[in-house]
Amino acid sequence: DAKTTQPPSMDCAEGRAANLPCNHSTISGNEYVYWYRQIHSQGPQYIIHGLKNNETNEMASLIITEDRKSSTLILPHATLRDTAVYYCIVRVGPGSARQLTFGSGTQLTVLP
Amino acid sequence: SAVISQKPSRDICQRGTSLTIQCQVDSQVTMMFWYRQQPGQSLTLIATANQGSEATYESGFVIDKFPISRPNLTFSTLTVSNMSPEDSSIYLCSVVPGRNTEAFFGQGTRLTVV
Repeated sequence: DAKTTQPPSMDCAEGRAANLPCNHSTISGNEYVYWYRQIHSQGPQYIIHGLKNNETNEMASLIITEDRKSSTLILPHATLRDTAVYYCIVRVGPGSARQLTFGSGTQLTVLP
Repeated sequence: SAVISQKPSRDICQRGTSLTIQCQVDSQVTMMFWYRQQPGQSLTLIATANQGSEATYESGFVIDKFPISRPNLTFSTLTVSNMSPEDSSIYLCSVVPGRNTEAFFGQGTRLTVV
């Protein structure tokens, strides 16, 4: 699986958009970008994934650059409950039951 | 989706003893994964557990230290054997319940070895 690079920490004001960047310059053509988050003392939670098109669901939006070497997770209206470590993971899938390789992630702190 | 029940949620154990962690899933899954998360660190895969075959361990993890059972498609156990304080971590199980689905995680077992 391709390696990812994320900033170690970010702050965001409550109610504002949180934009979390991820670099994955060695991504292969068949690899997807996945985002998970881990709220303190809980198991990781799936957020969103995409291949090359931008994706949106009820939790977030995923913007992938045209060359696919980087992406941004957007939480449109961050709340205090969004404070968590956010992991950007590149892997083959979906349809592949392979394990996830976690990097160090970004600690997002939403400030009141 | 998948709902995972992991037990115990936390435990404090004496060094030299063993602890068995249980992971129960509400649906049948082919593969289950066990991860370790050391204090302040990210998750590291310990092993992949397939029903009916021996678990596959990642580099740095051995069966004698972390024996795994997978008796059926909804259940698995991970044992942390002969524990030392360095084994103090959160242990998590995870499943990918089907094609084109994401991974689901249990809430973890917070282990402290004293």
